[in-house]
Amino acid sequence: NAGVMQNPRHLVRRRGQEARLRCSPMKGHSHVYWYRQLPEEGLKFMVYLQKENIIDESGMPKERFSAEFPKEGPSILRIQQVVRGDSAAYFCASSPTGIHEKLFFGSGTQLSVL
Amino acid sequence: GENVEQHPSTLSVQEGDSAVIKCTYSDSASNYFPWYKQELGKGPQLIIDIRSNVGEKKDQRIAVTLNKTAKHFSLHITETQPEDSAVYFCAAPYNNNDMRFGAGTRLTVKP
Repeated sequence: NAGVMQNPRHLVRRRGQEARLRCSPMKGHSHVYWYRQLPEEGLKFMVYLQKENIIDESGMPKERFSAEFPKEGPSILRIQQVVRGDSAAYFCASSPTGIHEKLFFGSGTQLSVL
Repeated sequence: GENVEQHPSTLSVQEGDSAVIKCTYSDSASNYFPWYKQELGKGPQLIIDIRSNVGEKKDQRIAVTLNKTAKHFSLHITETQPEDSAVYFCAAPYNNNDMRFGAGTRLTVKP
């Protein structure tokens, strides 16, 4: 049973480009959470999705950031017109239930904006 | 909203000694408290969790204690080994969808 898969592991973008981060949850998990981590800091909640639905996006910036979890395929976190402040590690977690417990994290995508 | 404070930020112990990491939270309604271990280049991994209806939970060398009155909970690692070296995060729920994490403790176990 494969764990949570994230790709790419490392992503380099220039200012103004778009970044697309992918997350495939564990088999049987339909709840996906995205977190952002800055160096030497804890994880900050961004968005919670179920298949085809955004349940809670209160932690995600209103502009330039979007997320989806389609019926088929991985969850996508999309950052448009990236700026240097977007540089961070982005982690995806999945859960078998929708109560934000027993989270299984992927290895993350390290986004670097030049 | 929930505010989770974690101490210390760094901890160095000799192999075989015990390590204790403490966290405080602010939301008295919180009822679930997990601890995660993050190794370099990897995502956090759940190592133990506790619910508010118990005061202590143990799993081999790892234990977590909870004091709901004082709103703090602690991670205890006994007989530490070099492979315990990692960053440890506590967390507490803010609402059903948002788990608030502490800033992390970098544990170094010296052989």
